[in-house]
Amino acid sequence: GAGVSQSPRYKVAKRGQDVALRCDPISGHVSLFWYQQALGQGPEFLTYFQNEAQLDKSGLPSDRFFAERPEGSVSTLKIQRTQQEDSAVYLCASSHGGQGADGYTFGSGTRLTVV
Amino acid sequence: GNSVTQMEGPVTLSEEAFLTINCTYTATGYPSLFWYVQYPGEGLQLLLKATKADDKGSNKGFEATYRKETTSFHLEKGSVQVSDSAVYFCALSDLYNQGGKLIFGQGTELSVKP
Repeated sequence: GAGVSQSPRYKVAKRGQDVALRCDPISGHVSLFWYQQALGQGPEFLTYFQNEAQLDKSGLPSDRFFAERPEGSVSTLKIQRTQQEDSAVYLCASSHGGQGADGYTFGSGTRLTVV
Repeated sequence: GNSVTQMEGPVTLSEEAFLTINCTYTATGYPSLFWYVQYPGEGLQLLLKATKADDKGSNKGFEATYRKETTSFHLEKGSVQVSDSAVYFCALSDLYNQGGKLIFGQGTELSVKP
């Protein structure tokens, strides 16, 4: 596609519910990043994939967060047993190159609200 | 660790006013520096970048110069327009030490009044 597509655009989850957020990167983009953006804050790094390999997951806040990219294209961020502090916008970004921030394209994000 | 600090908002200006949004960084390596912009209801867009000391990034009338001696990357525009109203994020990326992930400041909201 022409851009990075994220779905759903909005998600309301009851506390304790599991959620899955999808990212469709630009076709052929090797690198894929997930970020979490709390209200009024800058995005914070969660995890990074190069093709299907998850090379860095140091930003995942707890073991309730899990990300995968099994075929090196679409990625899913899963949050188990959601808590109120998980409420945020989750951003996905992709780039053509294997490393480097020069060519990132961001999606519009999924706004998760945990009630 | 690496970090970015930017001036707090909101910043409210009249159309055609001069804009400065301050950004300073802390980094152990040789980062690339970026300004991203987030318009209401839209995703983050790269505004400009600089990859080494003394480089000047520019786009759409915005400029920022990579100052290693002051560890700064202040965003400037000579004459803002109402359409520049958005949230601006300063960010760094240290390719060799952190694999290219972006570290963002907290964002500065700009509101330009007609």
